[in-house]
Amino acid sequence: EIVLTQSPGTLSLSPGERATLSCRASQSVSSSYLAWYHQKPGQAPRLLIYGASSRATGIPDRFSGSGSGTDFTLTISRLEPEDFAVYYCQQYGSSPYTFGQGTTLEIK
Amino acid sequence: EVQLVESGGGLVQPGGSLRLSCSASGFTFSSYAMHWVRQAPGKRLEYVSAITSNGGSTYYADSVKGRFTISRDNSKNTLYLQMSSLRVEDTAVYYCATSSGWYARWGQGTLVTVSS
Repeated sequence: EIVLTQSPGTLSLSPGERATLSCRASQSVSSSYLAWYHQKPGQAPRLLIYGASSRATGIPDRFSGSGSGTDFTLTISRLEPEDFAVYYCQQYGSSPYTFGQGTTLEIK
Repeated sequence: EVQLVESGGGLVQPGGSLRLSCSASGFTFSSYAMHWVRQAPGKRLEYVSAITSNGGSTYYADSVKGRFTISRDNSKNTLYLQMSSLRVEDTAVYYCATSSGWYARWGQGTLVTVSS
């Protein structure tokens, strides 16, 4: 199974700053079948990005995804207060689908 | 409005059984593969089980194979997860989600606690 490792574990930033989150796979993710979600306490995850770089419906363009193979990045260009949450990557190119352990984006 | 609503969670003793349901509305349920995904306290999300749109094929994580059974009733827009021989390590919030590989729609989750 593909193991996804996210870094950093915690990212402390201020509103308006740029956030860069990393997701590294233990083996190549076929066809860039990688998604990103964020999750707020007590809520279900929300899809942000699929196919490594396609924004989901209703997701603002400050969110962007990039990468291929084993290295993927989620970038939030200018942080809004509602962006502070836990972020997960997920690969769906190989069974079983797997998730990273999460990056907590907290207000500095 | 698209909605997925899980129910059926609760406290159960090790070795016990529980049946989760996921009621769908606001979209064409029968067109989507459906998955169960769980999240143990403080842990990462974990794929549990999947079923194709017509229910013809089912898949399971190794950790639940032989103990859990996924099914669906497209006439009732409902997904199920029958869980048996439950273990302490099955304690988690269980989410149903539509799957196109990625999970675009999620329910709010139902908590399953396995404890004596």
